[in-house]
Order: sequence, then structure tokens, then C-alpha cells
Amino acid sequence: DIQMTQSPSSLSASVGDRVTITCRASQSISSYLNWYQQKPGKAPKLLIYAASSLQSGVPSRFSGSGSGTDFTLTISSLQPEDFATYYCQQSYSTPRITFGPGTKVDIK
Amino acid sequence: EVQLVESGGGLVKPGGSLRLSCAASGFTFSSYSMNWVRQAPGKGLEWVSSISSSSSYIYYADSVKGRFTISRDNAKNSLYLQMNSLRAEDTAVYYCARLAVVHHGFDYWGQGTLVTVSS
Repeated sequence: DIQMTQSPSSLSASVGDRVTITCRASQSISSYLNWYQQKPGKAPKLLIYAASSLQSGVPSRFSGSGSGTDFTLTISSLQPEDFATYYCQQSYSTPRITFGPGTKVDIK
Repeated sequence: EVQLVESGGGLVKPGGSLRLSCAASGFTFSSYSMNWVRQAPGKGLEWVSSISSSSSYIYYADSVKGRFTISRDNAKNSLYLQMNSLRAEDTAVYYCARLAVVHHGFDYWGQGTLVTVSS
């Protein structure tokens, strides 16, 4: 199975900060990488697919980059509604999809 | 509007069984692969099972293989998960999720249903 890691596991940031989260795959997954946002008690929400494509309706302050084994999710200017946990997910080995362990973004 | 609504969760004793359902609306259900994803309390996301649009291809995570059975009824726009021989470690919120055709991300999720396995 393809293993996914994320760093950091948590971070504290202020409104307006630029935030970067890193995801690494245990083998090359080309651009088969998706990012999700999850708020407490809610289902995950797809933000970015295919490493860098913005899902419809997602604000443009979210962006993704990378290919192969290393990927990043960037929030250009953190907003109050962005405090959440973020997960990366590889779809290279669909249907045996695996998620990263998550990165919790909270208020500094 | 795409909607996925899970039901069937609850409290069950170890070794017991439960059947989850997911009612889909707002899209052509028979055209999409559907999945179950779970999340143990305070933990991350774990893919559980996948079923192709016509039920031709079915896959399970190793952690549930031989105990869980996924199925669908395209006439009823419904997805199911039969869970047998339940263990404490199966305690989780179970989500049904639609697999996007092009990029294989989960583009729509239900609200989840909580399964608690405890004596």
C-alpha cells in the first residue's frame, strides 16, 4: 500500500497568515493527489484535486502544487473559516485509496 | 443538488452485525463508483470499501475483508454496507462518498453515521 505522511501534524496561525502544509507519498503517485478540509463534526470537503486543480466553489486562496512524491497545500491568507484539519489523499492506487494523517490548523 | 444520506448506525455488541444504508439523490447514481470511508473518534480517515457503478468490481480494506460486504441497488439509488463480526476497533463514523470519474477524488460525502461497538 502507498503510505502518506503530512507535516506538520498541527500548526497555530493567525488570520491573514500564509500557511503551507506538506504531504509526501511513499512512492511516486504522479499528480494523483487530492486535498480535503474537515471541520469538527462535519464530513470532509474536497478542496484540490489532481495536485493543483481547484474544486468548484473553493476560494482561490487555496492552492496546491507538486508531483511525484512531494506535494504542498497553501492557504495564501488564512481566514477565520479556514481553521480545520486538512488531509491529503492519493488516488494513484484507486480504489485502494489512502489518506494522510491530517494537519490541524488552529488559532494562534 | 447532490445529496448522500447515511443511516443505520448505532450501538452494537462485539461480534454483532449492522447494515448501513446511503440514499443518493441529485445525480445519476448508476454512473458512479461509490465508497465507504470511516473515521474513528479523534482519528484520521480510512477507506473501507469501493463498488463500481455496475457492481462488477468490489474492493475492501484488509481491516474489514471477510467481515464487511458492500452492495448497491441502482434502481433505488442506494448504497449499503453489511457489517458482520464487529469489533471494538470498527467504532467510527461511517461516510458514504462519491468517487469523481476524472480525478478519483471524493467529490461528495454524506453527513456520516456513527457505529459504536461496545459491550
